[in-house]
Amino acid sequence: NAGVTQTPKFQVLKTGQSMTLQCAQDMNHEYMSWYRQDPGMGLRLIHYSVGAGITDQGEVPNGYNVSRSTTEDFPLRLLSAAPSQTSVYFCASSYSRDYYGYTFGSGTRLTVV
Amino acid sequence: KNEVEQSPQNLTAQEGEFITINCSYSVGISALHWLQQHPGGGIVSLFMLSSGKKKHGRLIATINIQEKHSSLHITASHPRDSAVYICAVRSGNYGGSQGNLIFGKGTKLSVKP
Repeated sequence: NAGVTQTPKFQVLKTGQSMTLQCAQDMNHEYMSWYRQDPGMGLRLIHYSVGAGITDQGEVPNGYNVSRSTTEDFPLRLLSAAPSQTSVYFCASSYSRDYYGYTFGSGTRLTVV
Repeated sequence: KNEVEQSPQNLTAQEGEFITINCSYSVGISALHWLQQHPGGGIVSLFMLSSGKKKHGRLIATINIQEKHSSLHITASHPRDSAVYICAVRSGNYGGSQGNLIFGKGTKLSVKP
């Protein structure tokens, strides 16, 4: 099924652990992005990519790393998890961030204890 | 200071009522998105508009660029419309992340039968 696939849906980490949130799309979208959603706040951009091999920081990049080796995949790495990274994470993609709507993944609920 | 403000934060309506959700923004934009977040957490893109008005089924979105304001209307509301509705703007110049979306905090709509 065409769309954005995020895994895992739920994850519990201990402080200091590392992990990778996976995001894959099969729509040949150039633009991909990661957001976190916290209670009482709007979605905030963590990192984004405008094409394979190109990534850049968003509003809240600290503690996160990304790479874009292929058009399809855009993994988000938590280097050393902290309780402040407890959040719901969404990946989204678009043909282009400028002129098209976005397709969102189903989200990953992450708890850091 | 929030660049994107939505009102109301919470809205309860009876089935069949006409609903309006408002979005005001303070930055120059090139496009505005309306998104729907289901109670299960998934996010769906409803509209992307840069001028005028768009309609899809019972949903209507309008934007006034001069007044920096957009509205989302739902006609003949139904309990299945219960969701969080999120406004997001694409700024042409936002710090070092030009062109990425800035999100409002969302409006939680509950439609009672």
